[in-house]
Amino acid sequence: SQTIHQWPATLVQPVGSPLSLECTVEGTSNPNLYWYRQAAGRGLQLLFYSVGIGQISSEVPQNLSASRPQDRQFILSSKKLLLSDSGFYLCAWSLRGSTYNEQFFGPGTRLTVL
Amino acid sequence: KQEVTQIPAALSVPEGENLVLNCSFTDSAIYNLQWFRQDPGKGLTSLLLIQSSQREQTSGRLNASLDKSSGRSTLYIAASQPGDSATYLCAVKGGSEKLVFGKGTKLTVNP
Repeated sequence: SQTIHQWPATLVQPVGSPLSLECTVEGTSNPNLYWYRQAAGRGLQLLFYSVGIGQISSEVPQNLSASRPQDRQFILSSKKLLLSDSGFYLCAWSLRGSTYNEQFFGPGTRLTVL
Repeated sequence: KQEVTQIPAALSVPEGENLVLNCSFTDSAIYNLQWFRQDPGKGLTSLLLIQSSQREQTSGRLNASLDKSSGRSTLYIAASQPGDSATYLCAVKGGSEKLVFGKGTKLTVNP
């Protein structure tokens, strides 16, 4: 069966510090991968998605970036965090080429920028 | 631009009641619709996915329906239990990889 991991689970960072969040998927190959952010009072917002190694599409211009160094690894980064980057970050995967395109989510990382 | 609305924002019911959660979307050109459950501080658990060609899907006490032409979906929960307390989110997928989410309905089932 497939599992998706995210770490760290929680993170408190000062404004201006760098960020690196990691997501890995087990039990499948060539997945589509996604980063979402859930901010207080707002719905889930897609930030980035990837259909393959090194292939990243950005949905929202911001000071965040994403990378996919390996097939089942997806990393969210920032060089300098802003207060507005606080939120709950969720990684998700879906089966590439699937008729259903169902997305499955990880446990999330709670980021607080002070 | 696709917009998804979920009404009500919060719902409190006694245990054992049957209930319906509503989801509406503005652009009927969707590929599928997915219902999720989110417990406080946790990730999303996929409950049901309905393809655009389908009218409903069932899983246990859950039944989701889709009326694409009117831009509506409902999630029916039969015989609600305190363990059903969570936030329920619906999301639609159009031609891109993006899922567009509603803000959710927070359900509380009182014992």
